[in-house]
Amino acid sequence: EVQLVESGGGLVQPGGSLRLSCAASGFTFSRYSMNWVRQAPGKGLEWLSYISSSSSTIYYADSLKGRFTISRDNAKNSLYLQMNSLRAEDTAVYYCARDASGYDWGQGTLVTVSS
Amino acid sequence: DIVMTQTPLSSPVTLGQPASISCRSSQSLVHSDGNTYLSWLQQRPGQPPRLLIYKISNRFSGVPDRFSGSGAGTDFTLKISRVEAEDVGVYYCMQATQFPLTFGPGTKVDIK
Repeated sequence: EVQLVESGGGLVQPGGSLRLSCAASGFTFSRYSMNWVRQAPGKGLEWLSYISSSSSTIYYADSLKGRFTISRDNAKNSLYLQMNSLRAEDTAVYYCARDASGYDWGQGTLVTVSS
Repeated sequence: DIVMTQTPLSSPVTLGQPASISCRSSQSLVHSDGNTYLSWLQQRPGQPPRLLIYKISNRFSGVPDRFSGSGAGTDFTLKISRVEAEDVGVYYCMQATQFPLTFGPGTKVDIK
């Protein structure tokens, strides 16, 4: 059974940083691209970033303006999202998703940016 | 960026009756590799999204056959042949043909 488990969310002050993790199991992690997607409270889905299976190709949403960095460790079956200079509008549930087509999704981790 | 639109945005349906959601993209979703990367996702209340359909019409593992996808180019449709209570939620179309990946605004399906 495929499992994606996000962690690392929480309450952070504006301007602060967080590092999200996504632990993968049930499939050969190193063979799949991965994505981060977020959902603000009561809103739709917003794609944030993509990383290829070997980390050779990375894309970001323009709206992030260089504040977020995606990475992965295939030896640890883990995906990461380093988030810096956080703003109130970054408050959302953050999901990791397998493959660009969205084959599997984690339960999400809530990030709240507030003073 | 490719803009995805959906109609309707809200769809009250009767149990056992069919339902249909349309999705339109601002440009063709045919990739240079010949595939069309259009997916449909379901998000039940309080749950994460779940993939139903990928590449227009391919049902993902475990998805009931009452869900079907069709379309081509810029126009796509998700159909539920007979709506069940567990189908309540928000349905999103998503394109993965071109980065940035983009989602439709979502269609809320509930029971009349």
